[in-house]
Amino acid sequence: GAVVSQHPSRVICKSGTSVKIECRSLDFQATTMFWYRQFPKQSLMLMATSNEGSKATYEQGVEKDKFLINHASLTLSTLTVTSAHPEDSSFYICSAPRGASTEAFFGQGTRLTVV
Amino acid sequence: DAKTTQPNSMESNEEEPVHLPCNHSTISGTDYIHWYRQLPSQGPEYVIHGLTSNVNNRMASLAIAEDRKSSTLILHRATLRDAAVYYCILGGHGSSNTGKLIFGQGTTLQVKP
Repeated sequence: GAVVSQHPSRVICKSGTSVKIECRSLDFQATTMFWYRQFPKQSLMLMATSNEGSKATYEQGVEKDKFLINHASLTLSTLTVTSAHPEDSSFYICSAPRGASTEAFFGQGTRLTVV
Repeated sequence: DAKTTQPNSMESNEEEPVHLPCNHSTISGTDYIHWYRQLPSQGPEYVIHGLTSNVNNRMASLAIAEDRKSSTLILHRATLRDAAVYYCILGGHGSSNTGKLIFGQGTTLQVKP
């Protein structure tokens, strides 16, 4: 079946540094991908819609200059957390729909810890 | 986006059926009912979806009320691997499906051996 892969699965970085998370659709093309954030014991919160070849669309309250999204190809979207701080520590998850399929495919998630 | 309401948590015994309810009284005529589940430390996975008729697949069954204001996800024989958070989400289908999912709090299912 379709697979969406995220990398890395776990990252620890120092406060003030930037971290890039990759989301790849492995056997299908995705013109749109979605990025979510999930804090412990909470639900997934949609951060932004990544659009291939154009600017991402951010949800209200999400800082676009802090969470940079690039969707340079039909199989890859990246989320860069810039100048990370401890409060950015979270589980980041991407997803992609495949064509007209109802099913959305999710990556394994990336656990970011900022120290 | 139409809202769904689910119990925060439920418990089940292994090998027994589980009925997970979801209320969606503001559902529109074109909204499909989607269910996803999230195992610990993983991304969500698709379980099932439906519009009006009851649906069955290898993972579960979906029973939809006649007025579509509620639905129930049925796991016929719970296993320990079914312990997860189950999300009921309203959304599109086919060409009207953008893939954008708005997650509520979901139901945390505990399965006891």
